[in-house]
Amino acid sequence: QQQVKQSPQSLIVQKGGISIINCAYENTAFDYFPWYQQFPGKGPALLIAIRPDVSEKKEGRFTISFNKSAKQFSLHIMDSQPGDSATYFCAARSEGSARQLTFGSGTQLTVLP
Amino acid sequence: KAGVTQTPRYLIKTRGQQVTLSCSPISGHRSVSWYQQTPGQGLQFLFEYFSETQRNKGNFPGRFSGRQFSNSRSEMNVSTLELGDSALYLCASSLGPAGGPNTGELFFGEGSRLTVL
Repeated sequence: QQQVKQSPQSLIVQKGGISIINCAYENTAFDYFPWYQQFPGKGPALLIAIRPDVSEKKEGRFTISFNKSAKQFSLHIMDSQPGDSATYFCAARSEGSARQLTFGSGTQLTVLP
Repeated sequence: KAGVTQTPRYLIKTRGQQVTLSCSPISGHRSVSWYQQTPGQGLQFLFEYFSETQRNKGNFPGRFSGRQFSNSRSEMNVSTLELGDSALYLCASSLGPAGGPNTGELFFGEGSRLTVL
C-alpha cells in the first residue's frame, strides 16, 4: 500500500517562529502533493499544493519545499501565529486511472502567544 | 454555495449494531470519498464513488460499505460495529475522481463522530 510518512506528530512553536512539518513518500507515481489544515470540529481544508515539477511554492506565510530525488516535501509556516494552531496533513495523489489521495498521519501544531 | 453536509454529526451505538452515515456533496460535484479519522492514524481512505460507481476501496473489512445515488449523495454503512470503529468519519466531494485532473482539491464536510460502546 502506498504510504506517506509525516513528522513530527506534534509541534509547539512560539509566536513569530517558523513551523516546519516534513513528509516522505515511497511511490514515485504521484502527481500532486497537497497540504490540508484542520481546525477542531471542522473538516480538513486545502491549504497549499505543489506538483512534482516544481521545487518550491509560496503562498503568503506558507511555503512548500519539494525534493523529488529524496522523495520528500515539507511545509514551512513563517511568522507562525496562534491562529495557525491546527492539525496539518500532507498528502500525495497517485496518477493515472486509479488516482487516489493518500494522507499522512497529521501534525498537531500549537503556536504559543 | 453550500458546502459538504454530513448527517448525523454525532451518534452513539453499541457493539454489534449497524450504522448508516449520509453525505451530500457540493452541487455539481460527482465524486465522493469517505475517510476514517482516528487520533494517531490520520485520515484512512475508505472508498470513493464517482457517478454511482465505486472507483477505489481502502484496506477496510467488508463490514464497511457505501453507495452513491444518481444525485451524487452518498451513504456509508458499517455493520456489526466494533469498539475500534469509534472515529470521525469524513466525507469529501470533488469535481472529478480524487479531486479531478487539474486541482486535486477535496472539499470535506465536518464529519460524523461515531462512538461505539
